[in-house]
Amino acid sequence: DVVLTQTPPTLSATIGQSVSISCRSSQSLLHSNGNTYLHWLLQRPGQSPQLLIYLVSRLESGVPNRFSGSGSGTDFTLKISGVEAEDLGVYYCVQGTHAPWTFGGGTKLELK
Amino acid sequence: QVQLKESGPGLVQPSETLSLTCTVSGFSLTSYSVSWVRQPSGKGPEWMGRMWYDGDTAYNSALKSRLSISRDTSKNQVFLKMNSLQTDDTGTYYCTRERRATYDYWGQGVMVTVSS
Repeated sequence: DVVLTQTPPTLSATIGQSVSISCRSSQSLLHSNGNTYLHWLLQRPGQSPQLLIYLVSRLESGVPNRFSGSGSGTDFTLKISGVEAEDLGVYYCVQGTHAPWTFGGGTKLELK
Repeated sequence: QVQLKESGPGLVQPSETLSLTCTVSGFSLTSYSVSWVRQPSGKGPEWMGRMWYDGDTAYNSALKSRLSISRDTSKNQVFLKMNSLQTDDTGTYYCTRERRATYDYWGQGVMVTVSS
């Protein structure tokens, strides 16, 4: 199975600070069809995960544009440009290129 | 709007069978696939299995011998049955809709505790 390694495991930030989360894959996530099925989810405390970004860099409808995704192959990054209080929670990368789909270990974003 | 809702018992005895139902609305089970994903407390999610839009199924190889997923399209429901439950099966179980090889809508989840 594909292993996704997220760093850092915990991230402390102040409101307004910009932060980045890394997700590295044990295999290339470039599918033979040309798509890269790497996505980002946010799980707020006590809530279900929600989709933020799909296909590396596409913003899900309703998600603020302070979130952005980038990367290719095996290295991917989620950036939050100006953290807001509602952004706190655990971020997961998830891949859908190789079966079975797998999740990263998560990065917990907390207030400093 | 798109909604998914899990239902089932919160407490299961060790070695017993877990039965969960996912009731969906706002989309058709013949157009979208639905997966079951579980999450032990304080840990990351784990994909369990999938009901494809065409009625086929796929399972996590680690759970395949214990897991069965089915559906009733007339009732907009997807079912999960997993036997021989142990304490490490404790966690929150979600059903999710799939789109573009990811999970775009999630249910609220149902907490399942395996304990005698």
